Amino acid sequence: DTAVSQTPKYLVTQMGNDKSIKCEQNLGHDTMYWYKQDSKKFLKIMFSYNNKELIINETVPNRFSPKSPDKAHLNLHINSLELGDSAVYFCASSNLGQGNNSPLHFGNGTRLTVT
Amino acid sequence: SQKIEQNSEALNIQEGKTATLTCNYTNYSPAYLQWYRQDPGRGPVFLLLIRENEKEKRKERLKVTFDTTLKQSLFHITASQPADSATYLCALEVAGRRALTFGSGTRLQVQP
Repeated sequence: DTAVSQTPKYLVTQMGNDKSIKCEQNLGHDTMYWYKQDSKKFLKIMFSYNNKELIINETVPNRFSPKSPDKAHLNLHINSLELGDSAVYFCASSNLGQGNNSPLHFGNGTRLTVT
Repeated sequence: SQKIEQNSEALNIQEGKTATLTCNYTNYSPAYLQWYRQDPGRGPVFLLLIRENEKEKRKERLKVTFDTTLKQSLFHITASQPADSATYLCALEVAGRRALTFGSGTRLQVQP
């Protein structure tokens, strides 16, 4: 009965490859996010979807493309992977319909290693 | 520029003592601030939210204060236990962005 689940947990790949990370939430939330946590542990927002509509698109390379097929799913596709993309990627969800201060529920992260 | 600062050095305390973690921010006027706990290999877990018109919020052994004049929040864990050892992150919403901005976190180590 995991609330926010993302797959895979670990992803090791070579430079230049294309990979996807998937995320699903069963909390009935209306908003989903992708955050990136670098080696210094900073969590940075990348994208946010509210009711399948992109509402936040931070300055990330256009090699990163999110897709939200429905309110419960948010996937992240990364093209032409680079060494600097190595990080832990967290999916999260919240219910902005209950107010902007709705807390985030995070998945357990996908550790991406690009070699 | 806008910044959220937490002590980057780990905080080591003895079991039973009170741990106090600091979150300072500049160039923000947040309506509320949130605190999260993160364990190794796991995602952050929400702990407490405090609004700008609240001076203090409590939940069991946890207490959060919010001083909008000093632009600071303090997070206290009383009667700390080794199980409280984790990284604690503060977060606030940048006006109009509808997403939380996080500090880098402070690692707390409670010694038995």
